Amino acid sequence: KAGVTQTPRYLIKTRGQQVTLSCSPISGHRSVSWYQQTPGQGLQFLFEYFSETQRNKGNFPGRFSGRQFSNSRSEMNVSTLELGDSALYLCASSSDGGNTIYFGEGSWLTVV
Amino acid sequence: GENVEQHPSTLSVQEGDSAVIKCTYSDSASNYFPWYKQELGKRPQLIIDIRSNVGEKKDQRIAVTLNKTAKHFSLHITETQPEDSAVYFCAATSGGGADGLTFGKGTHLIIQP
Repeated sequence: KAGVTQTPRYLIKTRGQQVTLSCSPISGHRSVSWYQQTPGQGLQFLFEYFSETQRNKGNFPGRFSGRQFSNSRSEMNVSTLELGDSALYLCASSSDGGNTIYFGEGSWLTVV
Repeated sequence: GENVEQHPSTLSVQEGDSAVIKCTYSDSASNYFPWYKQELGKRPQLIIDIRSNVGEKKDQRIAVTLNKTAKHFSLHITETQPEDSAVYFCAATSGGGADGLTFGKGTHLIIQP
């Protein structure tokens, strides 16, 4: 069974631009959550989607948004990028929003 | 919200010795406590987890203990090997994946040959 797949793996953006990251969960998993990982703040929860609905959101500004499609694939978008948005963005999936989540390899975003 | 403290931030042990990493949490409603291992440049991988109705869980050289009264849980690795070198993260949640995991800051475990 394929794991969580994230694209792109690496990208460089300029301040003020926006970025969209994509995530395909493990087959059969309907819950997708997103995390930001930085050296200073560690791993922080962004939001979680289940059946195309956002069920919970972490403490991030409105520039961070996401969505989920009917096939459970998810995207997250960051608008008006700031230097501090440079991070590893990790997508994770679980079956029906259960406790156990499995991470993808992540998307490395650098904002210059 | 939940707050998870993890200690130590760096732990160096001799190969073959044991390593212990400790975490405390603040929300008494938390009921699920996973541990993730992250090697350099790779994704966090679940290595063991424990639920609040269990006090201890073992999987080969790895064990986790939970003290609900004191609100702390620990990861124990015995007979450490070079491949155990990585960053380890503890986490806690009261609502499962839907509510998001609150992670500790991580422990860099170094296995000295």
